[in-house]
Amino acid sequence: DTGVSQDPRHKITKRGQNVTFRCDPISEHNRLYWYRQTLGQGPEFLTYFQNEAQLEKSRLLSDRFSAERPKGSFSTLEIQRTEQGDSAMYLCASSFGTQYGYTFGSGTRLTIV
Amino acid sequence: GQQVMQIPQYQHVQEGEDFTTYCNSSTTLSNIQWYKQRPGGHPVFLIQLVKSGEVKKQKRLTFQFGEAKKNSSLHITATQTTDVGTYFCLNQAGTALIFGKGTTLSVSS
Repeated sequence: DTGVSQDPRHKITKRGQNVTFRCDPISEHNRLYWYRQTLGQGPEFLTYFQNEAQLEKSRLLSDRFSAERPKGSFSTLEIQRTEQGDSAMYLCASSFGTQYGYTFGSGTRLTIV
Repeated sequence: GQQVMQIPQYQHVQEGEDFTTYCNSSTTLSNIQWYKQRPGGHPVFLIQLVKSGEVKKQKRLTFQFGEAKKNSSLHITATQTTDVGTYFCLNQAGTALIFGKGTTLSVSS
């Protein structure tokens, strides 16, 4: 499989718990993005990595969110002390350059109960 | 940052009718991309437009970038049920990628 992989596909957790998601981009892609999407809305930008460097982080992202891409390959997104409003689909996308667009993973659907 | 407005939000057509969605920006865009997201799926890249006045075609889909690079459109000729989904335009603002709110297309046969 040469696509973008995200794990897990679904996560149900109690409010207040911490969760971590993983994204494995296409191997030769140096750019990696995290997005959040709620029902009926477009994807909302969260953060961007070029190789291992986190170059941009949305101002909408609270301090409870952190992302890493330690070796410039896979990335993790952690949400601490989850809240009801964190329920959403979390999408990862990768690319090499921009002219061929961004390849999205199937996402991790987070439900806070 | 740069924001793009996308209209309409929803469009329902009969199979065989045409469909158009528009993205408009108050500032000049460096480029614009279009994506399709099927219900329950993830966004899939369709095309990138870079040049002023650029027109690209993919079978029944025609993409245009305005002369002033402030607007773009996606036109589908003779829609089919397989065209159902939400179509997003995507603008690169610095290193952030900003999606429009999308146009959701439904098609009845």
